[in-house]
Parts: sequence; structure tokens; C-alpha cells
Amino acid sequence: EIVLTQSPATLSLSPGERATLSCRASQSVSSYLAWYQQKPGQAPRLLIFDASYRATGIPARFSGSGSGTDFTLTISSLEPEDFAVYYCQQRSNWPRTFGQGTAVEIQ
Amino acid sequence: QVQLVESGGGVVQPGRSLRLSCAASGFSFSTYGIHWVRQPPGKGLEWVAVIWYDGSNEYYADSVKGRCTVSRDNAKNTVYLQMNSLRAEDTAVYYCARDRGAGLYYFDYWGQGTLVTVSS
Repeated sequence: EIVLTQSPATLSLSPGERATLSCRASQSVSSYLAWYQQKPGQAPRLLIFDASYRATGIPARFSGSGSGTDFTLTISSLEPEDFAVYYCQQRSNWPRTFGQGTAVEIQ
Repeated sequence: QVQLVESGGGVVQPGRSLRLSCAASGFSFSTYGIHWVRQPPGKGLEWVAVIWYDGSNEYYADSVKGRCTVSRDNAKNTVYLQMNSLRAEDTAVYYCARDRGAGLYYFDYWGQGTLVTVSS
């Protein structure tokens, strides 16, 4: 199974700052990687698919990049509603797998 | 609007069975794959299973293979997850999520989840 390792585990930032989250795959997943946002008590929400495409309704401050084994989610300027946990997920192989998550918290 | 509603969760003893349901509305149900994803309390997400739009294919996580079966009734716009021989480590919120396509893609809409607690 493909293991996805996210870093850092926690990111402490202030509103308006730039957030850079990393996801590394144990083997190449090509561009078949997504990012999800989850807030407490809520279901996850799809942000980015196929590494760099924003899902419907996702603000332009969210962007994704990477291919192969190294991927990045960037939030250009944090809004108060962006403080949440972010997961990456691959669809290259079965079983589908998620990273362990990065919590973006208010500094 | 797209809506997915899970039901069937609850407290169950180890070794017993439970069937979860996922009722869908607001989209052409028979043209989309449906996944199950679970999340133990305070922990991360784990993909569990998928069923193809027409029920022709299913895939399972190793952790549930042989104990869980996913099925669907396109006439009722409902997907089911039958879970047998439940273990304490199956305790989690179970979400159903729509695939962006037939079953091979990402999860673009999610239900609110149903909690399964396995405990004696």
C-alpha cells in the first residue's frame, strides 16, 4: 500500500500568513493526489484534485502543486475559516490511502 | 443539492454485525461510485471500501476485507455497508462519500457520518 507522509504535523500561523503543507508518497502516484480540509465535527471537504485542480467553489487562495512523490498545498493568505486539519489522499493504487493530516492552528 | 445521509450506527458488541446505510439524493445516483471512509475518534481518515456506479466492482481495505461487504440498490438510491465480526478497532465515524466518477476518482461530496462503537 502507498504510504502518504504529511509534514509538519502542526502548523501554527496567524491570519494573513502563507501556509505551506507537504505530502510525500512512498512511491510515485503520478498526479493522482487530492487534498481535503476537515473542521471539527464536520465531514472532510475536497479542495484540490489531481494535484493542482481546485474543486468547485474552492477559493483561489488554495493551490496545489507537485507530481510523482512530492506534493504541496499552499494557502496564500490564511483566513480565519482556514484553520483546520488538512489531509492528502492518493487514487493511484488500491487501497486508497490518506496522509495522517496536518493541523493548521492559530498562533 | 447533493445530499448523502448515513444511518445504522450505534453500540455493538465485539463479534456482532451491523449494517450501515447511505441514502443519496440530488444527483443521478446510478452514475456515481460510492465510497465508505471511517475516522476513529480523534484520529485520521481511513478509506474502507468502494462500490462502482453499477455495482460491478468493489474494493476493500485490508483491515476489513473478508468482514465487510458493500452493496447498492440503485432503485432506492442507497448504498449499504455490511460489517461482520466487529472488533474494537472498528470503532469510528463512518462516512459515505460520492466518487467524482464511476468509482476511480476522489470524494467530492460526503455525508455527515454515523458513529459505530464496538464495545462489550
